[in-house]
Formats: sequence, structure tokens, C-alpha cells
Amino acid sequence: GAVVSQHPSRVICKSGTSVKIECRSLDFQATTMFWYRQFPKQSLMLMATSNEGSKATYEQGVEKDKFLINHASLTLSTLTVTSAHPEDSSFYICSASRTSGTSSYNEQFFGPGTRLTVL
Amino acid sequence: LAKTTQPISMDSYEGQEVNITCSHNNIATNDYITWYQQFPSQGPRFIIQGYKTKVTNEVASLFIPADRKSSTLSLPRVSLSDTAVYYCLVGVINQAGTALIFGKGTTLSVSS
Repeated sequence: GAVVSQHPSRVICKSGTSVKIECRSLDFQATTMFWYRQFPKQSLMLMATSNEGSKATYEQGVEKDKFLINHASLTLSTLTVTSAHPEDSSFYICSASRTSGTSSYNEQFFGPGTRLTVL
Repeated sequence: LAKTTQPISMDSYEGQEVNITCSHNNIATNDYITWYQQFPSQGPRFIIQGYKTKVTNEVASLFIPADRKSSTLSLPRVSLSDTAVYYCLVGVINQAGTALIFGKGTTLSVSS
């Protein structure tokens, strides 16, 4: 099966610092990756769509200068939370989209998530 | 994107069958129905997917009536480890790279 990893799984940082989260598709190439954020007892909220080799598309209300997304290869996307503040504390989850064979079937696989705590 | 409506929560006991129904009244012709399971502090995990009638795999069954305006996820003989949030999603099957939009989900609590 397709595996998506995230690193780190958990990070604690001081307010004002920047944190980078990596999302990797381990056994398939992902043209598109997605970043979600999930607050306690809430559903996943889509933050942005990341396409390899191009700029990410952000959802309304998500600051692109605060949440920097880079998708430099077909197996790696990174999310950098810049100048993090306590309100950015959340569970960040990525997913990777795999094209099934010659079809454009929409298969998506989720990473295990990264718990960010900003003090 | 078709909106989905699910019960906020459900309670069950070990060994019982659990049926979670999802409403998607404005589902489009090209939309398929997918269910994900999420445990606390983990990413969602794919359970089952279908377009119409009935689909069964090793963990669940999915029942979809002819009008496709709803679907029911059936979990046979649940155990404590099935306690999780279950999300029903509706999306286009032939659009690779299309984001999945999550609704509120159903929190299933299984007791002994």
C-alpha cells in the first residue's frame, strides 16, 4: 500500500520561531499534496494544495506568507510555519494524491500528522 | 462539492453491528462516496469507497441506494478499537489531485 510519512511527529517551539514540517510519499510519486490543519475535536480543514514545481494554492483565510509550502520533488512537500504563535498550535496533516496507472482516479493517502505546540 | 450530513456521535457496545448513515442530497453523477476513519492524533485512514449498490471489504460494507442521496457505512461486530471518528466524503472519481473536503464526521464510542 501507499505510505505517506511526516516529520517531525511532534514539535514544541517558542513563539516567534519558524517550524518546518516535511511530508514524504515513500513508495509512489505524488504530483499533488495537500495540507490540512485540525484543531481539537474539530474536523480537518484544508489549508492548501501543493503541486510539484509550482506555487501552492491556498484556501481562503490561510495566509500564504505565514504558511510557506514548497513541493520541490514528486515525493516531498514541506510546510513552514513562520513566526509561529500559540494560536498556530494544531495538528497538521498532509495527504498525497497518486494517479492510478493510466487513469486519473483520485487516490489519496494521509500522513500520520504533526502535532505543533507553540509556547 | 456535495455537502454531507452525518450524526455527530453514536454509541455502541462490543460485538454489535454499527450503521452510520450519511446524507448527500446534491451528489453529482461523477461523484463517488468514500469513508475514512480517524483515531486521535493520527491521520485519516481509508475504509471503503463506492459508487452505487453495495460494496464490501474485510472491514466494512457500504450500502448506497439507487438515488445515491445517502449512504450507510456498516461495521460488523465492533470492538473497543473501533472507537474513532468516521468521515463520509463525496468527491469526483476521475480528478486526480482534487482535495478531499471533510465534514464534521461521526464520533463512534464503543463500550464493553
